[in-house]
Amino acid sequence: ETGVTQTPRHLVMGMTNKKSLKCEQHLGHNAMYWYKQSAKKPLELMFVYNFKEQTENNSVPSRFSPECPNSSHLFLHLHTLQPEDSALYLCASSQAHTGELFFGEGSRLTVL
Amino acid sequence: QQQVKQSPQSLIVQKGGISIINCAYENTAFDYFPWYQQFPGKGPALLIAIRPDVSEKKEGRFTISFNKSAKQFSLHIMDSQPGDSATYFCAAKDNQGGKLIFGQGTELSVKP
Repeated sequence: ETGVTQTPRHLVMGMTNKKSLKCEQHLGHNAMYWYKQSAKKPLELMFVYNFKEQTENNSVPSRFSPECPNSSHLFLHLHTLQPEDSALYLCASSQAHTGELFFGEGSRLTVL
Repeated sequence: QQQVKQSPQSLIVQKGGISIINCAYENTAFDYFPWYQQFPGKGPALLIAIRPDVSEKKEGRFTISFNKSAKQFSLHIMDSQPGDSATYFCAAKDNQGGKLIFGQGTELSVKP
């Protein structure tokens, strides 16, 4: 496999559920990102990990919890979400500080 | 303020025409300006990028024009094709934290 792979591609969950999004990159990059994409809005940066260390938390509610066990894997743990959290969640990777992000295809999340 | 303003929000162009998308920024600490292309159901993909020490960069039918004094940059798509129909995002990278700030996106439709 090459590139950035995200699973699941689609997820429907209730407000009391706990689920996780997974991202894996095969590009040898040392930085990984979570972005939220909502309709008619700019891509919103949520979290950044450089060399497995979290370097950015863009005022994201605590119901979103990231985890980066190594430089190739990134998770986003979800619990007690709200309907307004429904969006496309995009994972990306890059060499740190280059700005050349490679995105996965996203996980479409619907919160009922 | 770290913000990138993109216009228009949507654009319809005839096949063979020129598509022009504009972006403006205020933060002078940006040092890298990429454009991303996103097809429905896919993640954004890096299309072309420019650094502020040059005024223009061309790759095939895609050209970035950069005006440092006006803090503006634009994407020109020459000989637009129906296959170019996608959403285009401009972005700017902060030279201090490496954060990538995205514009709101432009939905381009090229009519045959």
